[in-house]
Amino acid sequence: ELKVEQNPLFLSMQEGKNYTIYCNYSTTSDRLYWYRQDPGKSLESLFVLLSNGAVKQEGRLMASLDTKARLSTLHITAAVHDLSATYFCAVGGGSNYKLTFGKGTLLTVNP
Amino acid sequence: GAGVSQSPSNKVTEKGKDVELRCDPISGHTALYWYRQRLGQGLEFLIYFQGNSAPDKSGLPSDRFSAERTGESVSTLTIQRTQQEDSAVYLCASSLFGGMNTEAFFGQGTRLTVV
Repeated sequence: ELKVEQNPLFLSMQEGKNYTIYCNYSTTSDRLYWYRQDPGKSLESLFVLLSNGAVKQEGRLMASLDTKARLSTLHITAAVHDLSATYFCAVGGGSNYKLTFGKGTLLTVNP
Repeated sequence: GAGVSQSPSNKVTEKGKDVELRCDPISGHTALYWYRQRLGQGLEFLIYFQGNSAPDKSGLPSDRFSAERTGESVSTLTIQRTQQEDSAVYLCASSLFGGMNTEAFFGQGTRLTVV
């Protein structure tokens, strides 16, 4: 059974600081997704990582995938308040269509 | 529609009652997924539709849960004889094709509270 672990689950940081959220998964997969969820809102797709060594960047967020280590990271650079949200990683299993989600990281960026 | 639409957005029901949750996917999307999100948890897969057939129902937690889909459009998730542990946000997603190699778009969810 595929298991996905995120850490930390809660992250409070100051504006301007850098931090990394980690996503570990238990079985082989080459398809990993990062989503953002604001309170009461839909999940918004941030990144789709499809191969070992994949790196994608959008604004202050950068995601990477190491399939050998079964690890993805979401790096936040010079955080701003607008980044406050819950971030989920999700991993595609062998059947591809079913995503297994981590518990999410609640990020709060303080002025 | 422009996005995945779910209704109702909030539902409070008494224990033992049946509830129906509705999902309108993006027009033209053949694949539809239901997930459940309990408080403080990640999303749990419930069921996947390709067209109006459900090749994978493995995530449905009990026989009180059922879902159907009409053609490649609306889907309903029905929970019979609701229990307090059914309280959660139920999220629907759709994608152009089956398989998550195409991007899935999520609705805003239905928050179900069983009292």
